Amino acid sequence: GENVEQHPSTLSVQEGDSAVIKCTYSDSASNYFPWYKQELGKGPQLIIDIRSNVGEKKDQRIAVTLNKTAKHFSLHITETQPEDSAVYFCAAHSGAGSYQLTFGKGTKLSVIP
Amino acid sequence: DTGVSQDPRHKITKRGQNVTFRCDPISEHNRLYWYRQTLGQGPEFLTYFQNEAQLEKSRLLSDRFSAERPKGSFSTLEIQRTEQGDSAMYLCASSETGTDTQYFGPGTRLTVL
Repeated sequence: GENVEQHPSTLSVQEGDSAVIKCTYSDSASNYFPWYKQELGKGPQLIIDIRSNVGEKKDQRIAVTLNKTAKHFSLHITETQPEDSAVYFCAAHSGAGSYQLTFGKGTKLSVIP
Repeated sequence: DTGVSQDPRHKITKRGQNVTFRCDPISEHNRLYWYRQTLGQGPEFLTYFQNEAQLEKSRLLSDRFSAERPKGSFSTLEIQRTEQGDSAMYLCASSETGTDTQYFGPGTRLTVL
């Protein structure tokens, strides 16, 4: 089955700096890669997603890049703000008739004011 | 748009008791998913419904677990003879047919004493 590795597990940045979180996946058939933000005591909230036919997608301060050949994708947050502090999860969709998402272990992002 | 709702939000039970959780998906979302999330980990897929049909089940879903979606709307997840290892956050998500985007509810936190 699919395996998703996520790094780093924790990340601290100064307010206004950029943050980058990286993930790798194992199943070359995976074709959908969402990123979720989870605050304490809440469910995961989708922040951006990308499909395998696209190399990069941007939404205001958030961008995601995908390298299918290397089987890795990254989340980029620019101009970080204290409210960006949360746990971020990457995930991969196995495709081939399966709808389950396989998640990474998460990155705890702390933005220091 | 009321989003995915889950009830109860918290449940404390004694080992050996049965518990049942409810999930109400976003209106008109045909697909419904259950995930389990333990502390410090990403969500892990348990099962998936397309309308009332249960189409995928993870090996994590032991015979003590059962899920239903009798009328293709809300779903229930029951755990029989709970064990301390069942303590986790149980998350529900839904999506529209033809899309990959899964929207998560706030989760039910289960504590087995």
